[in-house]
Amino acid sequence: GQQVMQIPQYQHVQEGEDFTTYCNSSTTLSNIQWYKQRPGGHPVFLIQLVKSGEVKKQKRLTFQFGEAKKNSSLHITATQTTDVGTYFCAPSGSARQLTFGSGTQLTVLP
Amino acid sequence: DGGITQSPKYLFRKEGQNVTLSCEQNLNHDAMYWYRQDPGQGLRLIYYSQIVNDFQKGDIAEGYSVSREKKESFPLTVTSAQKNPTAFYLCASSIKETQYFGPGTRLLVL
Repeated sequence: GQQVMQIPQYQHVQEGEDFTTYCNSSTTLSNIQWYKQRPGGHPVFLIQLVKSGEVKKQKRLTFQFGEAKKNSSLHITATQTTDVGTYFCAPSGSARQLTFGSGTQLTVLP
Repeated sequence: DGGITQSPKYLFRKEGQNVTLSCEQNLNHDAMYWYRQDPGQGLRLIYYSQIVNDFQKGDIAEGYSVSREKKESFPLTVTSAQKNPTAFYLCASSIKETQYFGPGTRLLVL
């Protein structure tokens, strides 16, 4: 499957600060999905990006797909304690397989 | 109430023992997947099945086996050949490319 590098691995922010996680690939991706996993929980689908340069927003979350479709980012504005968890990017390959990045673990300090 | 169920929530295995993890879905999804997650790590694909009576090895299939006799069920057996089975095991199903995860099973070796 497609290999991606996700950075940073860990991020601690004060509540109210912004947060960004990046997902980078050496090859062109057909599309990419983002998932969130709360501590002790299971991954939950957030969004899928398909088009070059696509930007999608979900309340305080902004997802971007690079123009070359080799990178993607998730930005959270004014973090809240409910944002705590690990965020994974996952490009899809053949047979509807996903290759999950290593994830960015977000801690929000109250 | 539709969804994916996994049982048990916690499972203990003795050395040399085979154990089977259950995964059931009533979402009428064709594709099902098994992932392994180690602490602080991403998800690694063990096996996947796109249709009943067919399944394919993922990235880390050694020491594991699966069956797909019914659309709703995709059990995973962790065999004694898997020397380091302690992990969090997640089952997922998908329609198109979005994956829906079960709550997971934590396997511990005694």
